[in-house]
Amino acid sequence: AQSVTQLDSQVPVFEEAPVELRCNYSSSVSVYLFWYVQYPNQGLQLLLKYLSGSTLVKGINGFEAEFNKSQTSFHLRKPSVHISDTAEYFCAVSDRTNAGKSTFGDGTTLTVKP
Amino acid sequence: DADVTQTPRNRITKTGKRIMLECSQTKGHDRMYWYRQDPGLGLRLIYYSFDVKDINKGEISDGYSVSRQAQAKFSLSLESAIPNQTALYFCATSRDFPLSEQFFGPGTRLTVL
Repeated sequence: AQSVTQLDSQVPVFEEAPVELRCNYSSSVSVYLFWYVQYPNQGLQLLLKYLSGSTLVKGINGFEAEFNKSQTSFHLRKPSVHISDTAEYFCAVSDRTNAGKSTFGDGTTLTVKP
Repeated sequence: DADVTQTPRNRITKTGKRIMLECSQTKGHDRMYWYRQDPGLGLRLIYYSFDVKDINKGEISDGYSVSRQAQAKFSLSLESAIPNQTALYFCATSRDFPLSEQFFGPGTRLTVL
């Protein structure tokens, strides 16, 4: 079984400030990790993913995340946010076996204020 | 054109009615999924299908059924809708191998009165 905990349900931040959205996971097997973004009235789209290799992963719109196996974390960061980054962000974990189902966190609402 | 489409986009129905939500994809993926999203609860998996002949229950399948009519089509049915099935429903697809991310449709907002 696997689970995902997003440690903050809401993160308010001012424009041009840095932001970190925290994600911890639990799994008995090796996993793939994902961050998705959901803009208002839209479906989810992929921000970035960790499959293997370098633990620092860069995604779209200036976001990056670091896979920390010892701490079972996959925190999302951006050095300077824009108003347009206001959205809901979901962390997801998928096991590497053929089951391949993804488990999603409850989401973090990022609100960027001017 | 969108790779994953869902119809209808919005639906209001009454308790006890049967309703079907449809999903089509042009990505050529074998794997398809149905999720529901409720505020503060993230996405919860209802059903998933790894190919046309393989359908599996997710964590919240009670009250729902699915049909995989073709590789490209995966429908979700509520046989007798109830108000607590009011939610945003998403269809998603993914490759079979290598495993990677899921691709989501735009969602169907369902209201059961």
